[in-house]
Amino acid sequence: DAGVIQSPRHEVTEMGQEVTLRCKPISGHNSLFWYRQTMMRGLELLIYFNNNVPIDDSGMPEDRFSAKMPNASFSTLKIQPSEPRDSAVYFCASSFRGWNTEAFFGQGTRLTVV
Amino acid sequence: AQSVAQPEDQVNVAEGNPLTVKCTYSVSGNPYLFWYVQYPNRGLQFLLKYITGDNLVKGSYGFEAEFNKSQTSFHLKKPSALVSDSALYFCAVYSSASKIIFGSGTRLSIRP
Repeated sequence: DAGVIQSPRHEVTEMGQEVTLRCKPISGHNSLFWYRQTMMRGLELLIYFNNNVPIDDSGMPEDRFSAKMPNASFSTLKIQPSEPRDSAVYFCASSFRGWNTEAFFGQGTRLTVV
Repeated sequence: AQSVAQPEDQVNVAEGNPLTVKCTYSVSGNPYLFWYVQYPNRGLQFLLKYITGDNLVKGSYGFEAEFNKSQTSFHLKKPSALVSDSALYFCAVYSSASKIIFGSGTRLSIRP
């Protein structure tokens, strides 16, 4: 398996534009996580899906953020409209079964909003 | 409130010396504990975990960690450091009462 695949690796966009980040989890994993990493706030969990269903979205910062998982092999994180403070590295991770099994992380998407 | 603390932002060790990266936690219920490593421009990689059983857990790249329930700690150790161990290390904890929480990270620097 190629691991968790995220695209794009880098994204530069202007404030107010819509941004969509994509993730393909490891086949057979039933849990998917979106994280955000910044120098100021460290690693923050945004949302957790189990069997394609959002279980915990309490980390989603505000309504501008939304995430979907239409099937077991694909998830998106959308920011609309984007703001400069959204600049961060966004990681997708998957695990075989929930919180208590090790997570495998993608290489991340570095988002810069100017 | 659930929390994880990594009290040292940076740890500096000479190659060949033992290393310790500290982690303490506060959770309700029985914790599941994890260590991850992050190399520059990469995602986190799993090193090891404690769920139950032997308090000393062995993981990847020669790392090990000891679960200490009385001190609520899960320090990461390695008997002999390598320059290639230089990276950012994260402790994480999960319990049935909370979602997974990551520590703030400790930057490990191994000098030749």
